[in-house]
Amino acid sequence: ELKVEQNPLFLSMQEGKNYTIYCNYSTTSDRLYWYRQDPGKSLESLFVLLSNGAVKQEGRLMASLDTKARLSTLHITAAVHDLSATYFCAVVYGGSQGNLIFGKGTKLSVKP
Amino acid sequence: DAGITQSPRYKITETGRQVTLMCHQTWSHSYMFWYRQDLGHGLRLIYYSAAADITDKGEVPDGYVVSRSKTENFPLTLESATRSQTSVYFCASSPGTPSYNEQFFGPGTRLTVL
Repeated sequence: ELKVEQNPLFLSMQEGKNYTIYCNYSTTSDRLYWYRQDPGKSLESLFVLLSNGAVKQEGRLMASLDTKARLSTLHITAAVHDLSATYFCAVVYGGSQGNLIFGKGTKLSVKP
Repeated sequence: DAGITQSPRYKITETGRQVTLMCHQTWSHSYMFWYRQDLGHGLRLIYYSAAADITDKGEVPDGYVVSRSKTENFPLTLESATRSQTSVYFCASSPGTPSYNEQFFGPGTRLTVL
């Protein structure tokens, strides 16, 4: 059974600072998603990472995937208040008929 | 409008009552999913469907029933609601197997069971 662990679960940071959210998973998978969720809202897809060494960037967010280490990171550069949200990683599990297994989420609060 | 919609958006019911949550998508996606979101658990898969008349259990199916007579609709029924089913429910769809296709999420239904 695949387990997905995110850390930290809560993150309070100041504007302008850098930080990294980690997503570890327990068994082999070649597809990982990062989602953003604002309070009371649905999930918005941020990144899809498909292969070892994949790196994607959008604005102040950069995601990477190391399939050998079973680790993905979401790096935040020079945080701004608008990035305050909950971030989820989700890993595909179960071969060709796989489903998504979500981490518990990281609640990010960016303070001025 | 195109997309994925859920109804109702908010629902309060009592223990033991039957409740049906609706999900409708206009993309003709073959796959549809139901998740529940609870504090401290992230999202957990309840049921999914690969096509009309094909459904399968996810991680937490107990107490739920699904059907899919039409590609665009995937209702979720709580036959006898319990307080532990108080949650936010998200429907999602994807054009193919989740191993190779992104899922798109609906706006969610907040269900409270008293």
